[in-house]
Amino acid sequence: EVQLEESGGGLVQPGESLRLSCVGTGFSFSDYWMTWVRQAPGRGLEWVANIKQDGSEKFYADSVRGRFTISRDNARNTLYLQLDYVRGDDTAIFFCARGRLGDLPLWGQGTLVTVSS
Amino acid sequence: DIQMTQSPSTLSASVGDRVTITCRASQNLNNWLAWYQHKPGKAPKLLVYKVSTLETGVPSRFSGSGSGTEFTLTITCLQPDDFATYYCQQYNSYSEYTFGQGTSVEVK
Repeated sequence: EVQLEESGGGLVQPGESLRLSCVGTGFSFSDYWMTWVRQAPGRGLEWVANIKQDGSEKFYADSVRGRFTISRDNARNTLYLQLDYVRGDDTAIFFCARGRLGDLPLWGQGTLVTVSS
Repeated sequence: DIQMTQSPSTLSASVGDRVTITCRASQNLNNWLAWYQHKPGKAPKLLVYKVSTLETGVPSRFSGSGSGTEFTLTITCLQPDDFATYYCQQYNSYSEYTFGQGTSVEVK
């Protein structure tokens, strides 16, 4: 079955770090751009970051640039998002998604990150 | 940065209604525009990409149209399963994606 599964969410204190993972199964992971999207409580979808198939290009939303790092390990079919210096407004469900030409036909179920002291 | 303005934010409708959601971009998207349906606790679902191409398996009551900076998603004959939140997304460049603010389609 073609799917994405996120993990790594949880409760984290402001200023601390967390690493999210997303494992892709049932498809050739290294063939696709990959994307992180988040949804804060009561808010809409917000694009977070993109990474090219070989990891050579990475792009970030202004709200996370300099604090979050997207990466991938194609040998492990895994996408990562390193969250550093987290803030209260980073509390959200984080989704990973597989890209096509920029549209996102495949999504994971999401992992919840809660930033609180 | 490309801004996306989606309207309305909330829409009250009944089963069988025709529903139209609009998305306006701050610059020409060259047809790189998609629509998603999202329900609480679920993964977002791609409905339409490249303005008007229906994703495989999506019912034909969903359709997309538009060009340049103005786009619409239309649902003809609204079904009970269609009550959800809908988002447009621009993907004119890999360096920046933007979602609209969302439209919640609620039971009238």
